[in-house]
Amino acid sequence: GAVVSQHPSWVICKSGTSVKIECRSLDFQATTMFWYRQFPKQSLMLMATSNEGSKATYEQGVEKDKFLINHASLTLSTLTVTSAHPEDSSFYICSARGRGYGNQPQHFGDGTRLSIL
Amino acid sequence: AQSVTQLDSHVSVSEGTPVLLRCNYSSSYSPSLFWYVQHPNKGLQLLLKYTSAATLVKGINGFEAEFKKSETSFHLTKPSAHMSDAAEYFCVGDMRFGAGTRLTVKP
Repeated sequence: GAVVSQHPSWVICKSGTSVKIECRSLDFQATTMFWYRQFPKQSLMLMATSNEGSKATYEQGVEKDKFLINHASLTLSTLTVTSAHPEDSSFYICSARGRGYGNQPQHFGDGTRLSIL
Repeated sequence: AQSVTQLDSHVSVSEGTPVLLRCNYSSSYSPSLFWYVQHPNKGLQLLLKYTSAATLVKGINGFEAEFKKSETSFHLTKPSAHMSDAAEYFCVGDMRFGAGTRLTVKP
């Protein structure tokens, strides 16, 4: 159980285009979803937290107009990288957390490798 | 927000010997702590999570972690390393990741 599907797994696009990444919880309702960025040989950096039906909360230094997050349902969140440039190339990972008491763990997608030419 | 510090960027052990991966946290309230593992070219897998019910937490694959409030630590241990344990390990507090510890297991 607790499967998170992230799509696409890999995308290459030209500079200036926008790219949308989807994150779906397949067998549970994700009240909260998280978006991370991971550079090669580095840890995951939290970009934003989103609760279903409300605006995302962005971490300091993350441009909300650059990285648009939508969490319109309990099973789907999307991250849109707008007007992408080579410096946006990275590995993006989403995670989802369901309802419950106590420390609910995050369940991670397999990530999206984004390459901007 | 809580932060975690992983004290070692790289740990190398021989197969069959104990593993210790260190993590310290900073929090003034009941912490939300987890350990995850990331194998090369694979997704993140939950090893274990801290609950206030017990200070010694047992996880998958023989891993354990002990929560020590006096030392603000949540170190990950395993009595005997296996070759398949070689991976990147992350201590996570309040959804924020530590820098990670790369575990190498020598034959």
